[in-house]
Amino acid sequence: AQKVTQAQTEISVVEKEDVTLDCVYETRDTTYYLFWYKQPPSGELVFLIRRNSFDEQNEISGRYSWNFQKSTSSFNFTITASQVVDSAVYFCALSEAGGANNLFFGTGTRLTVIP
Amino acid sequence: EAGVVQSPRYKIIEKKQPVAFWCNPISGHNTLYWYLQNLGQGPELLIRYENEEAVDDSQLPKDRFSAERLKGVDSTLKIQPAELGDSAVYLCASSQEGDSGANVLTFGAGSRLTVL
Repeated sequence: AQKVTQAQTEISVVEKEDVTLDCVYETRDTTYYLFWYKQPPSGELVFLIRRNSFDEQNEISGRYSWNFQKSTSSFNFTITASQVVDSAVYFCALSEAGGANNLFFGTGTRLTVIP
Repeated sequence: EAGVVQSPRYKIIEKKQPVAFWCNPISGHNTLYWYLQNLGQGPELLIRYENEEAVDDSQLPKDRFSAERLKGVDSTLKIQPAELGDSAVYLCASSQEGDSGANVLTFGAGSRLTVL
């Protein structure tokens, strides 16, 4: 069965600090996809990144970076030089290939960036 | 390009009353999803449509919940009668293609239901 664990319920950092959001997943499929979504106070989930299980290259996009490690079943998300606008709830999600496009979400991590 | 549009944004009803939520997906997106998000939790899938067909409704409580997607575009999710435990945010999402775990979902802002 699929499972996504985000052990950090809430994190607070001071502006300009770096912060890492942890995500650990479980799946029996060899082909799967991992996602991060951001949910600001407006409520709309915003797609940030998708990674497939065969691509373990880390990715950087501006102040955002992602570290995918199959050996530890983790897909962690780091924000460098955090800003107040980064304050939101961040969700890690897993989708298994093979016929059912169902996103399984973790419980989310609420990030508060203090000015 | 317009995003996924949901209405109403907020709804407050008494228990045992009916309620309906409407969703207009992104133009050209064949797949439509309804998710339930309880407070402090991640979204959970209720139902997925491929065009007009409900291809996954295994998590939809069919005794009180119903959904439809006539003409394969807009969709309506109904609850009748509502119970206190139905208070949550109902999210609609759409994606371009169907059976692939790689699909990126675009979400609407959600409909927040409060049942008194």
